[in-house]
Amino acid sequence: DQQVKQNSPSLSVQEGRISILNCDYTNSMFDYFLWYKKYPAEGPTFLISISSIKDKNEDGRFTVFLNKSAKHLSLHIVPSQPGDSAVYFCAANLEYGNKLVFGAGTILRVKS
Amino acid sequence: DADVTQTPRNRITKTGKRIMLECSQTKGHDRMYWYRQDPGLGLRLIYYSFDVKDINKGEISDGYSVSRQAQAKFSLSLESAIPNQTALYFCATGDSSSNEQFFGPGTRLTVL
Repeated sequence: DQQVKQNSPSLSVQEGRISILNCDYTNSMFDYFLWYKKYPAEGPTFLISISSIKDKNEDGRFTVFLNKSAKHLSLHIVPSQPGDSAVYFCAANLEYGNKLVFGAGTILRVKS
Repeated sequence: DADVTQTPRNRITKTGKRIMLECSQTKGHDRMYWYRQDPGLGLRLIYYSFDVKDINKGEISDGYSVSRQAQAKFSLSLESAIPNQTALYFCATGDSSSNEQFFGPGTRLTVL
C-alpha cells in the first residue's frame, strides 16, 4: 500500500512556463514533506521542504504548497528551465522513527 | 570530494553469489540508510541505522543484511543474490536535528 503517491509518471512543459508536480499521501502521521530532484547517474538531491504546520514554503523559483485536509502537496517551478529536467520525488517523514517514505517519482521534461 | 560515496558504482553478478555494497560518509552524520530504486516504485527503505550499535529493518529487508562498522561506514550485503534484486541502490545519511537526508551517487546492481 503506497502511502505517498505521485500519480503522474511524467510531465512535459515549455521553457518559461510553470511546472506543477503533485503528490498525495494517506498517512496523517507524516509531519514533514520534502521534494528531491534526481538527474541520471546521480543520487537524489534535496530541493525544498515544508512542515505540516505550514501551507506554503518558497525558495526562489520553487514553491511547495501543502493542503493537509486533502492530504495533498504540490511543487511549483516558475519559470521552468531546461536544467530542471529531472525526476522529482516527493517524500514524507513519519513523525515517529524519522524515516522517509518516497513516492514513485515524476519525470519532468522542460522543452526549450 | 563527495560527502557520501558508494562502491562499487556498477556491479554485475550471478544468481547465488554474495555481494557487498559499501557506503562511506564524511558529513559526520549519525544516521545512515540503504534504499533501492525500481522503476515505478520510487525509493524503498531496506535498512537504517541511527548509531553504530543500532540496526533497524526497513520496508523490504528480506534477502539483505547490513553492518555499521563505524559512524562513517554502512555496508549492505546480499547473501545469495537473486535476479529480482537487480536495482539501483542508494545510501543516504542524516542528522538527528534535521529531516533532510543526503544521498550517495548510487550503485547499479545487475543479478543474472
